Amino acid sequence: AQRVTQPEKLLSVFKGAPVELKCNYSYSGSPELFWYVQYSRQRLQLLLRHISRESIKGFTADLNKGETSFHLKKPFAQEEDSAMYYCALSGGGYQKVTFGTGTKLQVIP
Amino acid sequence: DAGVIQSPRHEVTEMGQEVTLRCKLISGHNSLFWYRQTMMRGLELLIYFNNNVPIDDSGMPEDRFSAKMPNASFSTLKIQPSEPRDSAVYFCASTLRTLNTGELFFGEGSRLTVL
Repeated sequence: AQRVTQPEKLLSVFKGAPVELKCNYSYSGSPELFWYVQYSRQRLQLLLRHISRESIKGFTADLNKGETSFHLKKPFAQEEDSAMYYCALSGGGYQKVTFGTGTKLQVIP
Repeated sequence: DAGVIQSPRHEVTEMGQEVTLRCKLISGHNSLFWYRQTMMRGLELLIYFNNNVPIDDSGMPEDRFSAKMPNASFSTLKIQPSEPRDSAVYFCASTLRTLNTGELFFGEGSRLTVL
């Protein structure tokens, strides 16, 4: 079974403060991990994936297999980062994609 | 390409009525996912298809829910009879699956309210 846990429903930070959105997973094989974002009145869209090892809009996420985590980080939050963030896991290839319950990030001006 | 297209965008119905939600995939994509979004449970996977074949429907709540993919570009999710607890936003998403899991492209969602 595969499971994704996002412990925080809401995270409020001040503009310019660091952000860390937590994601832990449970999967017996080698997972593919993703972060998706849903801005107000917009579609859910891919933010980044672990295999790309890239930084998007200043966000990064490192897959830690020992801690089974894939936390999303940004050193300095911006107001436009306010959105709903979902962590997702796939077993790769043609496997299903499971999402966590999501964390709403609120950046306070 | 207009992306994944879902209809209707909003549906209000009464308990016991049949509801049909529709999804048009992005041309060339070969996998289709149906998710249900609620405040309490986030995005729950209901069912997914690869190459028009249902692969895993273990997330479908009960027999009242059914999904079909009559061709490579179109899918329906049906609820019969509907109940108030089915009220949620239903999303479909498509992708091109290869060796790696591709990016999921989501529709705008269908907001269902069952009175």
